[in-house]
Amino acid sequence: QAVVTQEPSLTVSPGGTVTLTCGSTTGAVTSGHYPYWFQQNPGQTPRTLIYDTSRKQSWTPARFSGSLLGGKAALTLSGAQPEDEAEYYCLLSYSGAGVFGGGTKLTVL
Amino acid sequence: EVELLESGGGLVQPGGSLRLSCSASGFTFSSYAMHWVRQAPGKGLESVSSISSNGVRTYYADSVKDRFTISRDNSKNTLYLQMSSLRGEDTAVFYCVKATRSDISRPSFDYWGQGTLVTVSS
Repeated sequence: QAVVTQEPSLTVSPGGTVTLTCGSTTGAVTSGHYPYWFQQNPGQTPRTLIYDTSRKQSWTPARFSGSLLGGKAALTLSGAQPEDEAEYYCLLSYSGAGVFGGGTKLTVL
Repeated sequence: EVELLESGGGLVQPGGSLRLSCSASGFTFSSYAMHWVRQAPGKGLESVSSISSNGVRTYYADSVKDRFTISRDNSKNTLYLQMSSLRGEDTAVFYCVKATRSDISRPSFDYWGQGTLVTVSS
């Protein structure tokens, strides 16, 4: 079974920019993995931020963007806000089955 | 407004059974696939099971195959997860998640419910 890899933790300064990545042990991540990104604030339910690599939900703040970068899926946050401090999970599709990454704890400090 | 309301969680002994329900509203339930995703305490997310809009196709994670059964009643706008032979490692919050597609040929997620806690312990 493929393993989806994410940075365990990252820190960003308020107003700063940070990129979270999502890799696959099977090789390069492509658009065919239909990458998803989810945000889970402390004690809250996850919510979907990005789907199909770069498409945003209606509620996704404009400061979040998704892309493919260096063989990985990437979530870039530009202009970090205190409320962006959360756990971020990616998900990749493998022949129809979705596999979540272990999550990245993002601290805004 | 889309609403997903899970119920049926609780404390169950190892080896026991439990049925989770997810009542859906605010969208045409019969048009969308649905998922169950779980999160063990302090841990990450795990995709447990999925079902197509018409209930014909299903998916199960290896960790629950042959123990869990997903189903839906489109006349009642309700999704179910029948869980049996429960183990301690099944302890988790179970989330009901709406798909953006009718099929489960690839994962698709948009709206999440608030979750229901299942605790497996003697």
